[in-house]
Amino acid sequence: QKEVEQDPGPLSVPEGAIVSLNCTYSNSAFQYFMWYRQYSRKGPELLMYTYSSGNKEDGRFTAQVDKSSKYISLFIRDSQPSDSATYLCAMSANRGSTLGRLYFGRGTQLTVWP
Amino acid sequence: DTAVSQTPKYLVTQMGNDKSIKCEQNLGHDTMYWYKQDSKKFLKIMFSYNNKELIINETVPNRFSPKSPDKAHLNLHINSLELGDSAVYFCASSGRSGGAPDTQYFGPGTRLTVL
Repeated sequence: QKEVEQDPGPLSVPEGAIVSLNCTYSNSAFQYFMWYRQYSRKGPELLMYTYSSGNKEDGRFTAQVDKSSKYISLFIRDSQPSDSATYLCAMSANRGSTLGRLYFGRGTQLTVWP
Repeated sequence: DTAVSQTPKYLVTQMGNDKSIKCEQNLGHDTMYWYKQDSKKFLKIMFSYNNKELIINETVPNRFSPKSPDKAHLNLHINSLELGDSAVYFCASSGRSGGAPDTQYFGPGTRLTVL
């Protein structure tokens, strides 16, 4: 079993829809949870991060972490065609890159059509 | 001004050849990485360097050898290329950002095709 599982999709929604992206994980030591967005033929870029359990909101994006279920989600409200990308979840046990590493999900490909 | 740059962007080569990919970051970060992303978009870490010192060395064939001449550069040399090496290779760097986890900044990727 991979450390981080993510449904690759593809997911196709109309503009304005609410999108829900999810990951599950097996390592209970993970404390930092991140979402990266990767546009076609580009490198991933950090969208949001959350520490431990709880919610975090940034504009149209909300990240949720449920450590008891080992389940994280990213919600996108009022989705736009410009949100079309691959979304990768990532997590680590430590804050510092010298102490730990990021474990990535395989990414969910999202298309928002006008 | 590009933060993390990689060259070349595309690399097409024959099996058995040796090739190098170069990476440079101008963010002043101490840590740099190489990742491999396969055709199914799975991003897997290969190596990590901190201040030119190897920190992470995943189970990667010996044909792959990273070299960090200084903090701002991390190159990847691949010997005896195989078909299975075809993938997109991403360089990344990270540094401290207050209370947040170290954010990794990715380069644009090098698309390697082995024929």
